[in-house]
Amino acid sequence: DAGVTQSPTHLIKTRGQQVTLRCSPKSGHDTVSWYQQALGQGPQFIFQYYEEEERQRGNFPDRFSGHQFPNYSSELNVNALLLGDSALYLCASSLGLATTDTQYFGPGTRLTVL
Amino acid sequence: GESVGLHLPTLSVQEGDNSIINCAYSNSASDYFIWYKQESGKGPQFIIDIRSNMDKRQGQRVTVLLNKTVKHLSLQIAATQPGDSAVYFCASREYGNKLVFGAGTILRVKS
Repeated sequence: DAGVTQSPTHLIKTRGQQVTLRCSPKSGHDTVSWYQQALGQGPQFIFQYYEEEERQRGNFPDRFSGHQFPNYSSELNVNALLLGDSALYLCASSLGLATTDTQYFGPGTRLTVL
Repeated sequence: GESVGLHLPTLSVQEGDNSIINCAYSNSASDYFIWYKQESGKGPQFIIDIRSNMDKRQGQRVTVLLNKTVKHLSLQIAATQPGDSAVYFCASREYGNKLVFGAGTILRVKS
């Protein structure tokens, strides 16, 4: 049973560039959530996708956008990168939108903005 | 805004001892809480969860206690092992399916 996978593992970009991160959910899951984890802090919710639509969004600017595909995989896009965007980006998958669904996390993508 | 926080940033315990990691949450409307373990270079790993209609739940070597009166959550690890060394996060589920995490507690197990 495949767990949550993310790519790439590491990424280095410069300020102003754009980046796309990818996530494949755990087998059988249809909901994907994205989190940003700055060094030494807990993850912060960015947004959640279900049925190819953004269902819920955290306190992140419009530079952060996403997409979910028919196979439930998802992308996170960040435009006009800032130094402060350097973080570990985590993808979590779950089944449906019910509050009883446990979210399982992938290994993350480490983004460094220079 | 609402937040979930931890009392102690670092906890050092001797191998074989029991560990207790504490967490305070601020949103009294939270009805579901989760503990995650995060090892270096990895994503958070689910440990145990508890719903607000319970005050205790046990897993394998772990127990979560919930005190809604004082909005406090704790994770107890029995017979702590070197492999338990990691950062532990508590999280509350809010506004649908959004998780709100605390800053984390580093658990160091001394052999």
